[in-house]
Amino acid sequence: QQPVQSPQAVILREGEDAVINCSSSKALYSVHWYRQKHGEAPVFLMILLKGGEQKGHEKISASFNEKKQQSSLYLTASQLSYSGTYFCGTEGGDDKIIFGKGTRLHILP
Amino acid sequence: DGGITQSPKYLFRKEGQNVTLSCEQNLNHDAMYWYRQDPGQGLRLIYYSQIVNDFQKGDIAEGYSVSREKKESFPLTVTSAQKNPTAFYLCASSMTGARQPQHFGDGTRLSIL
Repeated sequence: QQPVQSPQAVILREGEDAVINCSSSKALYSVHWYRQKHGEAPVFLMILLKGGEQKGHEKISASFNEKKQQSSLYLTASQLSYSGTYFCGTEGGDDKIIFGKGTRLHILP
Repeated sequence: DGGITQSPKYLFRKEGQNVTLSCEQNLNHDAMYWYRQDPGQGLRLIYYSQIVNDFQKGDIAEGYSVSREKKESFPLTVTSAQKNPTAFYLCASSMTGARQPQHFGDGTRLSIL
């Protein structure tokens, strides 16, 4: 099942913080986060693995609650370059990543 | 520089026609993936391959076919059986397994004439 992302869209002013949530109805082994700017390819941000390991950019912060099958991506002191659509992808042990519908983030100067 | 190359960038299909989208990578990745992106729907998995000469169906494989004869190449054919092919198609690759970062190509936008 496709994970549910919230909010669907958010508008921030530069310097403000945002949290994007991702929730799944099934047990997860890993959660993946990507950002896509309009007309471009998605770019890898972070993978959070069952057991606590994380792979990704040092400046990106995220959490993974294995029991609740939820993950959150934290964007602090947002910059104009953070604008785009953020996708979470969930993996339940079958080598497939199922992506959510995305959260559109727009940063105003 | 290593990366993934998708071609063409834009493609038009006539009714009843099969078209093939190219995906080539020089990252030495074992795994390759095809996704379809529609507005507001996120990325939906069409097919994926973890190793040469082997591939598995994703969630929306009907009307599509793939081959994986070489490690570097994973072409996708959109057949005439796919009645609603208009979409943005993305190819990705990664090291073996789903718990590795995926690197995406720039995509192919397919439209119906």
